[in-house]
Amino acid sequence: DGGITQSPKYLFRKEGQNVTLSCEQNLNHDAMYWYRQDPGQGLRLIYYSQIVNDFQKGDIAEGYSVSREKKESFPLTVTSAQKNPTAFYLCASKERESDTQYFGPGTRLTVL
Amino acid sequence: GQNIDQPTEMTATEGAIVQINCTYQTSGFNGLFWYQQHAGEAPTFLSYNVLDGLEEKGRFSSFLSRSKGYSYLLLKELQMKDSASYLCATGGYNKLIFGAGTRLAVHP
Repeated sequence: DGGITQSPKYLFRKEGQNVTLSCEQNLNHDAMYWYRQDPGQGLRLIYYSQIVNDFQKGDIAEGYSVSREKKESFPLTVTSAQKNPTAFYLCASKERESDTQYFGPGTRLTVL
Repeated sequence: GQNIDQPTEMTATEGAIVQINCTYQTSGFNGLFWYQQHAGEAPTFLSYNVLDGLEEKGRFSSFLSRSKGYSYLLLKELQMKDSASYLCATGGYNKLIFGAGTRLAVHP
C-alpha cells in the first residue's frame, strides 16, 4: 500500500527538550512538506524539500529544523527554541503531475 | 500579498445542497485545491482546478474563475458525514497557501 506515515500519533515532551517527528512516504514523490495547525486555524508551512539533500524555510521555520537524506524520509525536529510548540503537525508529499499534496495522519505534540 | 478568504462556519440540512466560497490573491498560481478535514484528522484531497470552469466528482463539484480569483465547492445530497472543515488552498512556486477553513455542520 502506498502512503505517508507519521509517528508517533501523540507525543508529549517537557519544556526545554528537543523532539523529532517522523515522516515517511513510499509514493516516490520528490517534494515533501511540514505544516503546523493550531486550533481553528489553517495550515502554516514550516519547511519544505523539493529534492534529496535540499530544503527551504517556510513561513514559520524559527525553532524547527529538518533533514532530507533520503527521498522517502523528511524528519522534523522541534527544538527548545520554539516558543509555542504545542500543535498538530502534518507532513505532506506532492505528486509532480498535478501538484496535489497528500497528507500523513499527523502528530499531535503537547508540551507539558 | 497573498491571501485566501473563506467563511468561518456554515450550517446545512441533510439532503440539501451547500456552496462554500473561496476568494484568493496569490503571487503565483498552480491551481486551486479543496481539502476536507474531519475534526482531529489530517486533510484529505477533494478536488483540483487549474482551468476555469466546473469540475464534477460525484456529490462534490468545484468551480474556478481565475480572472475573479474565486472558487467554490458545491456539496450535493448532504450527509451527516460531510460535517467537517473544508480548506481552500492555492499558490505557486512549489508552495501552497491554505485558507483557515470553513467548518460545515450538517443537521438532520
